[in-house]
Amino acid sequence: NAGVTQTPKFQVLKTGQSMTLQCAQDMNHNSMYWYRQDPGMGLRLIYYSASEGTTDKGEVPNGYNVSRLNKREFSLRLESAAPSQTSVYFCASSEEFWDSYGYTFGSGTRLTVV
Amino acid sequence: GDSVTQMEGPVTLSEEAFLTINCTYTATGYPSLFWYVQYPGEGLQLLLKATKADDKGSNKGFEATYRKETTSFHLEKGSVQVSDSAVYFCALMGSSGSARQLTFGSGTQLTVLP
Repeated sequence: NAGVTQTPKFQVLKTGQSMTLQCAQDMNHNSMYWYRQDPGMGLRLIYYSASEGTTDKGEVPNGYNVSRLNKREFSLRLESAAPSQTSVYFCASSEEFWDSYGYTFGSGTRLTVV
Repeated sequence: GDSVTQMEGPVTLSEEAFLTINCTYTATGYPSLFWYVQYPGEGLQLLLKATKADDKGSNKGFEATYRKETTSFHLEKGSVQVSDSAVYFCALMGSSGSARQLTFGSGTQLTVLP
C-alpha cells in the first residue's frame, strides 16, 4: 500500500548508544518531516526537509541529526541516546512544503532509552 | 508563536452519545486548521480541515467549523461509535513566513463504550 514506512517499530537502547530511524515514502512527495510524540505534549517537530537535498531544524533538534538520502528516504540519527529521548517518533511527508492539504504519517517508532 | 489548546481528556462516552472536543488557537493572520485522528498503534490520519473563516470541514460524520471571531475549531459528532475510540489532535498551519508550519495540540483521548 502507498504511504510512509518507518523502521524499526520498536527499539530499546542503552544510554550513549547510537541508532538510525529509517523512513521511506512512495507517494513522490517533495517534503518530509520528523516529529516526536510525548504524553500531554502533542507532536513536536524535530527536523524537516522541504525538498531533496535540503534539511532544517524544527522546534526540538538537539541530540538529533538527519539525512535526506534521496527523494524517498529521510533518516533520523541519534548519536548518543539519552533517557530524555524516550518517545514515539513519527515520520511524515507532504506533496509540497507545509502543504495545507495535510500530511501522511507513518505508524511510528517507539523508542525507549534506559 | 502560534499555539493550539485542546480540551483535556480523557473523554469517555457511551455509544450514540454526542461528542464535542474543544479546540482554540492563537495565531497571526489566517491559519489553516486541521483535525487528525490516531487509532491505537497507528500514525496520525487527517480527519478534516478548513482553510478559511466560516469553512466547515467534515468527514466520517465528524464536523468542525472555523470560527475566527472566537478563534475556535471544535470537533463534533452527533452519534459516536465504539470504532471512534482514538486520540484526536487539533492542529494549525500558519499562513506565512516562519509561522508556516504544522503546530499540534496535546491531543484528546476518546473512549466509546458499547
